[in-house]
Amino acid sequence: KAGVTQTPRYLIKTRGQQVTLSCSPISGHRSVSWYQQTPGQGLQFLFEYFSETQRNKGNFPGRFSGRQFSNSRSEMNVSTLELGDSALYLCASSPLGGYREKLFFGSGTQLSVL
Amino acid sequence: DQQVKQNSPSLSVQEGRISILNCDYTNSMFDYFLWYKKYPAEGPTFLISISSIKDKNEDGRFTVFLNKSAKHLSLHIVPSQPGDSAVYFCAASAWTGTASKLTFGTGTRLQVTL
Repeated sequence: KAGVTQTPRYLIKTRGQQVTLSCSPISGHRSVSWYQQTPGQGLQFLFEYFSETQRNKGNFPGRFSGRQFSNSRSEMNVSTLELGDSALYLCASSPLGGYREKLFFGSGTQLSVL
Repeated sequence: DQQVKQNSPSLSVQEGRISILNCDYTNSMFDYFLWYKKYPAEGPTFLISISSIKDKNEDGRFTVFLNKSAKHLSLHIVPSQPGDSAVYFCAASAWTGTASKLTFGTGTRLQVTL
């Protein structure tokens, strides 16, 4: 079974631009979550989608948004990029997103904002 | 407000010895705890979990201990192997009526030396 696939692997953007990151979950997994990893902050929860609906949201500004498609693939968008948005963005999937389900993570997209 | 804390950013252990990684939490609603391991350029992978109704869970060389009264958990790796060198994240979840939102610690980098 293929794992969670995230594209692109690396991105370099400048302040003020916007960016879209993509995530393909494991086949059959309907829940997709996004996390931001920065040095010293660990992994911070962004949001979780299930059946094309956002079920849960972390404490990030509205510049961070996402969506999920009918095939469970998900995209995350960050508008008006700031230097502090430089981070590793990780996508994770699970069958139903139940709170005791283990998450399967992709390798992440490393975003650098210059 | 860091609800899950890993106060040791790094740990160095000799091969064959025991590695003990610690994690503290503040939210008494957390009732399920997980450890993830992360190698460079890869996403975190699930290692072991424990429910709050237990105080110990073992899986091969890995054992997680939970002390609810102290709001503390620890991961023991015995014996430690060079391949265990990675960043270890402690994570916690609580039933909120919705789904997978894990709160992660900031990670502990374990180096197992020969």
